[in-house]
Amino acid sequence: KQEVTQIPAALSVPEGENLVLNCSFTDSAIYNLQWFRQDPGKGLTSLLLIQSSQREQTSGRLNASLDKSSGRSTLYIAASQPGDSATYLCAVSTDFNKFYFGSGTKLNVKP
Amino acid sequence: NAGVTQTPKFQVLKTGQSMTLQCAQDMNHEYMSWYRQDPGMGLRLIHYSVGAGITDQGEVPNGYNVSRSTTEDFPLRLLSAAPSQTSVYFCASSRRESNQPQHFGDGTRLSIL
Repeated sequence: KQEVTQIPAALSVPEGENLVLNCSFTDSAIYNLQWFRQDPGKGLTSLLLIQSSQREQTSGRLNASLDKSSGRSTLYIAASQPGDSATYLCAVSTDFNKFYFGSGTKLNVKP
Repeated sequence: NAGVTQTPKFQVLKTGQSMTLQCAQDMNHEYMSWYRQDPGMGLRLIHYSVGAGITDQGEVPNGYNVSRSTTEDFPLRLLSAAPSQTSVYFCASSRRESNQPQHFGDGTRLSIL
């Protein structure tokens, strides 16, 4: 069974800092990996998706990397803003839309 | 474009009652799935469907039933509610290609007394 771990569980940084969120998974035979953002009381919003054959994806200030051999992905957030405060979830799929989620990193960006 | 719509948003049940959580998507997505989110445990897959008439079990299927009679709708039924089913339930949909993201509804917050 795929196990997904996210470290740290919580992170507090001052505005403007660059930061890295980590995700590790136990089975390297993945279909794709997705990073989501979840605001309190809300659903999940997809940020970046990396297919199995890809190494990284970028969207604006966000960059996600994938290293299947080591079972790791990172989400890099540049020049953090208070509006980036949310919980960030990593999800790994091993077969079409069967996803395994980490428990998330709760990010607080202080003005 | 409504995306993925879940109803109700909140529900309180008594132990032993049954109910159906509704999920509808208007994006003509083949895949739909149900997850539950519990504190400190992330999301866990309950059931999923790869198309109308086809469903399968996920990680935690016990106590739940699903059916998929149309592409748009994927209801989740609690047969006999138990306090352990108190959770936030999310429905998601996606296209079948590996480069297509999952789209989530806003969730149903369910409490079982």
